[in-house]
Amino acid sequence: NAGVMQNPRHLVRRRGQEARLRCSPMKGHSHVYWYRQLPEEGLKFMVYLQKENIIDESGMPKERFSAEFPKEGPSILRIQQVVRGDSAAYFCASSPQGGDEKLFFGSGTQLSVL
Amino acid sequence: DAKTTQPPSMDCAEGRAANLPCNHSTISGNEYVYWYRQIHSQGPQYIIHGLKNNETNEMASLIITEDRKSSTLILPHATLRDTAVYYCIVRVRNNNDMRFGAGTRLTVKP
Repeated sequence: NAGVMQNPRHLVRRRGQEARLRCSPMKGHSHVYWYRQLPEEGLKFMVYLQKENIIDESGMPKERFSAEFPKEGPSILRIQQVVRGDSAAYFCASSPQGGDEKLFFGSGTQLSVL
Repeated sequence: DAKTTQPPSMDCAEGRAANLPCNHSTISGNEYVYWYRQIHSQGPQYIIHGLKNNETNEMASLIITEDRKSSTLILPHATLRDTAVYYCIVRVRNNNDMRFGAGTRLTVKP
């Protein structure tokens, strides 16, 4: 049973480009969470999604950031027109049902904006 | 509005017990205490959680004070691989609000 898969592991973008981060939850999990971790800081909640629905996006910046979790395929975190301040590690977690005590995290995507 | 307070760093000798404290003086009656850890460059890993009773699993023990205002995570025999940042989180069960603070950076030394 594969764990939460995130790709790419490392992503380099120039300012103004778009970044797409993918997350495949564990098999049987229909709830996905995205977190961002700036260097030397703790994880910050961004968004919580179920299949085809955004449940809580209170931690997501209002502009340039969007997330989806389609019926088929991985969850996507999309950052448009990236800036240097977007450089961070982005972690995805999944759970079989909302609010389950155990979140299973992926290894993260390290985004570097040049 | 941090709900938990943890020391920023701690050291522990290999083979000894590591006791990581957490203060959560404003915890509500329906909030659980969760512990996760993050080894360098990896995603966080669930360790244990509890409401008011002490809990033990294959990884650790969780001791919660009677007034529930603080708790201690115990790694009974720390190894070098336990070096990580440990996060204490209070959360209402079945709530999406898993908020991570700064955590405690535990360094296990030989």
